[in-house]
Order: sequence, then structure tokens, then C-alpha cells
Amino acid sequence: ELKVEQNPLFLSMQEGKNYTIYCNYSTTSDRLYWYRQDPGKSLESLFVLLSNGAVKQEGRLMASLDTKARLSTLHITAAVHDLSATYFCADLSTAEKLVFGKGTKLTVNP
Amino acid sequence: DAGITQSPRHKVTETGTPVTLRCHQTENHRYMYWYRQDPGHGLRLIHYSYGVKDTDKGEVSDGYSVSRSKTEDFLLTLESATSSQTSVYFCAISEQNPTAYEQYFGPGTRLTVT
Repeated sequence: ELKVEQNPLFLSMQEGKNYTIYCNYSTTSDRLYWYRQDPGKSLESLFVLLSNGAVKQEGRLMASLDTKARLSTLHITAAVHDLSATYFCADLSTAEKLVFGKGTKLTVNP
Repeated sequence: DAGITQSPRHKVTETGTPVTLRCHQTENHRYMYWYRQDPGHGLRLIHYSYGVKDTDKGEVSDGYSVSRSKTEDFLLTLESATSSQTSVYFCAISEQNPTAYEQYFGPGTRLTVT
């Protein structure tokens, strides 16, 4: 069974702090995706990681991929309230299908 | 934003009635997907299409059927709606560009089955 496990599922942090969300997956895929979802909204693509060692950064978010460990991380630097959302990672299970984790609900408190 | 629309955006229906949800794209992408999102489950794939008239089942396909007669439209049908199909349904599209298969999501349809 294909699995994508995120942890933590809930994360409450203070503004200005750093934290990491972890995404473990079970396939031998070398592609991993991160999405953001605001309450009541659709999913927005954040990062597409296409190879082992890939690292991408956008503002206060940085994503990385270790295919040997089957692990991707989403690192948050100096969190701000606007980053409050639910973050999903997804693994490319076959040539065209994604398997999603359950999501990490991030709340950034002032 | 990717050109994806879903209709209706909200629907309330009774148990046992048929329901059809529509996904329309203006991007001419080859792949289209239907997901459902439920609390505690993330997104789960219902059905997907890899071309006109080419479809396949996903993880949670029981009780659902799909059709794709044109590149731009992908229909999801609940033949006889049940309360367990109350959910938010998202359509997504993707293209092999070049190998990313990045998926872009529509705005979602909130379906309530009473």
C-alpha cells in the first residue's frame, strides 16, 4: 500500500520561530510535491522537487528531498501569521498519479 | 491561475438521487483528476483521465463513475448519492511538462447529501 505520512499533523508556533514539517513516503519515486491550502480554498502548488538532493526556496519556506531516505522536509524560517494554512505533501506514485499525505495544519500565533 | 472551473460550487441533494459534477479546463491539458477531501484523510483520488474517453479508477472509486468526451470536460457522477459521499470534491489537471506532472486544482465543489 502506498503511503505518505506527514508529521506533525498539527503545529502551533509563535511568530519568528523556525520549524520543520516532515514527509515520509513509501515509493521509490524521485518526485515530491508540496501544496498549501487556506481554509475554504483550493490547493496551491508551492514546490515541485524532481530529484534527490533537490532544494527549493520561496520566501520563508524551503523544501528539500532525500530520495534515499524517502523523506522530504518543509522548513519554515521566522514564521509569520500569513503562513498559517494547511500544508500537504504528495508523492508521485505512478507516471501520472499523486498520493497525498493527510496534511499539516499550521497556526502561527502573534 | 490555471483555467479550471467546477460546477456547481455548492450542492445539497437527497440520498438516492443522481448527481453530476463538472470540471472544465481551458489549458488543453491531457490529464484530469477527481479527488475528494474529508477531514483527517487529506485528498483521495476517485478517478482520473489520461485522454478523451480514457479513464481509470483511483483509490476510492466505488459509487462513482466518470466520463470525458472532450479534452476540456471531465464529469463525475454519483449514480445514487449516499451520506458517506458528503465531501468537498476537487478537480485537478496536469501535463507532462517536461516530466513534472504538476497538478493544478480547481476551486472545489462542496456536496452535502442529506
